[in-house]
Amino acid sequence: DAGITQSPRHKVTETGTPVTLRCHQTENHRYMYWYRQDPGHGLRLIHYSYGVKDTDKGEVSDGYSVSRSKTEDFLLTLESATSSQTSVYFCAISESVELNEQFFGPGTRLTVL
Amino acid sequence: DAKTTQPPSMDCAEGRAANLPCNHSTISGNEYVYWYRQIHSQGPQYIIHGLKNNETNEMASLIITEDRKSSTLILPHATLRDTAVYYCIGRRGGGADGLTFGKGTHLIIQP
Repeated sequence: DAGITQSPRHKVTETGTPVTLRCHQTENHRYMYWYRQDPGHGLRLIHYSYGVKDTDKGEVSDGYSVSRSKTEDFLLTLESATSSQTSVYFCAISESVELNEQFFGPGTRLTVL
Repeated sequence: DAKTTQPPSMDCAEGRAANLPCNHSTISGNEYVYWYRQIHSQGPQYIIHGLKNNETNEMASLIITEDRKSSTLILPHATLRDTAVYYCIGRRGGGADGLTFGKGTHLIIQP
């Protein structure tokens, strides 16, 4: 299995608080992604990164920011969490976009009360 | 990304071949067909992809029709651990902007 970890794996927080989720990889892959998964919507792309300090928005980026200061870490921040951001968050990595073979992490279950 | 259509659910007996169809009638010439699966509560897992030739790897086979309007993922000897949601994705090669997952097919392997 690809070396991807996500932390925390579970988190409960309150509306209005900031939250940061971490994705860490040991594969030295250039591309990293954050998705969210909700019932009835499948997986949707939040943000992605195509290199250190190079990021771009995905389909559902409002309310989220990301940072990538090192190849191995991709952080997702909810500046002020809302109940609509209750979801399961998956990180993915890819070595080559030519192949579009992405490896996914185990997920973080976030509950915003 | 190409629009894909899959049945919402399918059953298959353990030990038999599971054949999962996908319709992608509007796929363009430079778009590949990718298959991923997601076992309950886990992250999606890449299975296989192809452009126009049939492909086989240790997990599955992918059969793409000659007109490329549909394809079939074949799990040759399904086991209970193959119970999962299977996603068919039409996507051009290159481009860093992630994958578009639809609702997929929930494959249930019956003992």
